[in-house]
Amino acid sequence: EVQLVESGGGLVQPGRSLRLSCSASGFKFGDHALSWFRQAPGKGLQWLGFIRSKIYGGAPEYAASVRGRFTISRDDSKSIAYLQMNSLKSEDTAVYYCSRVSSVATDLFDYWGQGTLVTVSS
Amino acid sequence: DIVMTQSPDSLAVSLGERATINCKSSQSVLYSSNNKNYLAWYQQKPGQPPKLLISWASTRESGVPDRFSGSGSATDFTLTISSLQPEDVALYYCQQYYATPTTFGQGTKLESK
Repeated sequence: EVQLVESGGGLVQPGRSLRLSCSASGFKFGDHALSWFRQAPGKGLQWLGFIRSKIYGGAPEYAASVRGRFTISRDDSKSIAYLQMNSLKSEDTAVYYCSRVSSVATDLFDYWGQGTLVTVSS
Repeated sequence: DIVMTQSPDSLAVSLGERATINCKSSQSVLYSSNNKNYLAWYQQKPGQPPKLLISWASTRESGVPDRFSGSGSATDFTLTISSLQPEDVALYYCQQYYATPTTFGQGTKLESK
């Protein structure tokens, strides 16, 4: 069974950093790109970026709104993807989800984690 | 970026009746080389992550009940639930995966009347 479990969320002060983790199981992690999203309270889904599988170079891509502040990485030996978030702002408050990119199409997301809540507040 | 616009924003349908949600993209998401529409539908229930229901505009994912169907091409798409069940009450999102960045519609809240 495919499972994705996010962790690392919590309350953080503005300007500080936070690293989220996405632990995967039930599939061959190294064969898939992984993506991160967020959903602010009562709002829609916002794509943050993804990281390619090593087969396709392993490079990340980012949404313009977070490029330069957020970094996505992966450790295939541990089946974990990371989202490093720096210089956090109150508007970064959201539930953060990781998802597996389908093997049939880039940017099609077939499995999602339950999410982890990040609250940016002093 | 491709803008996805759903209508209506909310919808109340009686149990057993048909529900229809529309999605319009600001540019075509039909890839001419393979004649595929890069359009997906997701369902999100309160406190849960999104769940992929339909890809390629009309292909149901494994395990998705056949009362869910997708149709449309190029810029205009529809998600239809043929007979609303209590467990279908949720938010529904369309998503284009034709171009990066991928973008979602604003969501349609489906309730039972």
